[in-house]
Amino acid sequence: GNSVTQMEGPVTLSEEAFLTINCTYTATGYPSLFWYVQYPGEGLQLLLKATKADDKGSNKGFEATYRKETTSFHLEKGSVQVSDSAVYFCALGDYKLSFGAGTTVTVRA
Amino acid sequence: GAVVSQHPSWVICKSGTSVKIECRSLDFQATTMFWYRQFPKQSLMLMATSNEGSKATYEQGVEKDKFLINHASLTLSTLTVTSAHPEDSSFYICSAKGLAGDQETQYFGPGTRLLVL
Repeated sequence: GNSVTQMEGPVTLSEEAFLTINCTYTATGYPSLFWYVQYPGEGLQLLLKATKADDKGSNKGFEATYRKETTSFHLEKGSVQVSDSAVYFCALGDYKLSFGAGTTVTVRA
Repeated sequence: GAVVSQHPSWVICKSGTSVKIECRSLDFQATTMFWYRQFPKQSLMLMATSNEGSKATYEQGVEKDKFLINHASLTLSTLTVTSAHPEDSSFYICSAKGLAGDQETQYFGPGTRLLVL
């Protein structure tokens, strides 16, 4: 079956630091890959997605590339802001989604 | 963007009582809704898939008589936790599939925190 392994947190960074959250997966076939973000007190929001190998998803300065050879979909942002403090979930699937455990990111001013 | 609401946002109940949680798609029609459960510091676990007008499909290990799901309209699905016990305490999240441009996307509700005493 499908599963997602996500970097454990929490991660604490200073503003303008570089952020990487690792995500690897096991899957049958080639499902779509997603990053969701959950801000405090809110529901999950789709941050970005990639539907096939070598696709790069990007949004709000975040990027992730669908790497079939390493079965990875690492999330990166070059310069984080305090407003990026949230829980980030890696997920995969085309109908039903399988989620990683989530990584809590705190950005300090 | 598409909005999904859940009600209530949190609930405390006594052991043995039943609790109903509503999930609504506010500005779009959702033929499919999903119910997830999240334990502290763990990932979302899919409980069931709910299709409008038909019986829900439950994931392995989820008791369908314990977690009753009704998807009566294209904008509303309900999850009823029957005869709740403390081990049912958790964070329950729903999502609804809707169109974003020409692609289907899952939109998530804010979750309902259930505490069974």
